[in-house]
Amino acid sequence: KQEVTQIPAALSVPEGENLVLNCSFTDSAIYNLQWFRQDPGKGLTSLLLIQSSQREQTSGRLNASLDKSSGRSTLYIAASQPGDSATYLCAVRPNAGNNRKLIWGLGTSLAVNP
Amino acid sequence: EAQVTQNPRYLITVTGKKLTVTCSQNMNHEYMSWYRQDPGLGLRQIYYSMNVEVTDKGDVPEGYKVSRKEKRNFPLILESPSPNQTSLYFCASSPGLGASPLHFGNGTRLTVT
Repeated sequence: KQEVTQIPAALSVPEGENLVLNCSFTDSAIYNLQWFRQDPGKGLTSLLLIQSSQREQTSGRLNASLDKSSGRSTLYIAASQPGDSATYLCAVRPNAGNNRKLIWGLGTSLAVNP
Repeated sequence: EAQVTQNPRYLITVTGKKLTVTCSQNMNHEYMSWYRQDPGLGLRQIYYSMNVEVTDKGDVPEGYKVSRKEKRNFPLILESPSPNQTSLYFCASSPGLGASPLHFGNGTRLTVT
């Protein structure tokens, strides 16, 4: 059974730091992996999607990597800003099943302090 | 603007009083899904729909109903709400189950007393 774990659960950093959020999964048979951002009182916004055949994806100051063999993905945020404060969730879409429903981590709550 | 719209954003109701949370998307997406989010449990799928008139249960379907009569709408119905259905609910959509990301609504905070 696929399980997704995000460590740490919470992170507080000063503005300007480069930081890495971690996501690990137990079954390497994935179709893709997605990183989302959730702001308080709002829905989730898709940040990056990495297909199983890809190693990384980049969008602006964000870079997500995928290592299926080790069951890991990292989200790298460069030069963090207070506006990056949010909860970051990763979700894995398995290869198998009709639904191939996303398996979610519990998220990392990030606070970037001015 | 491409979006998923949920209504209402906040709802307080009493046990047993039927309610409907609406969800509409304007992106012509085939796939739609409902989630609930609870502290410590994360996001759990309630129901999903692969296309019009095609719906199926997710992980926690008990106490909920859905319908998909039109492509754009996917309402969530609680026939007899109970306090354990107090939660934050999200509707989401995507073109399919392929390489496209999921688009979420802003959520509905439901309290059942």
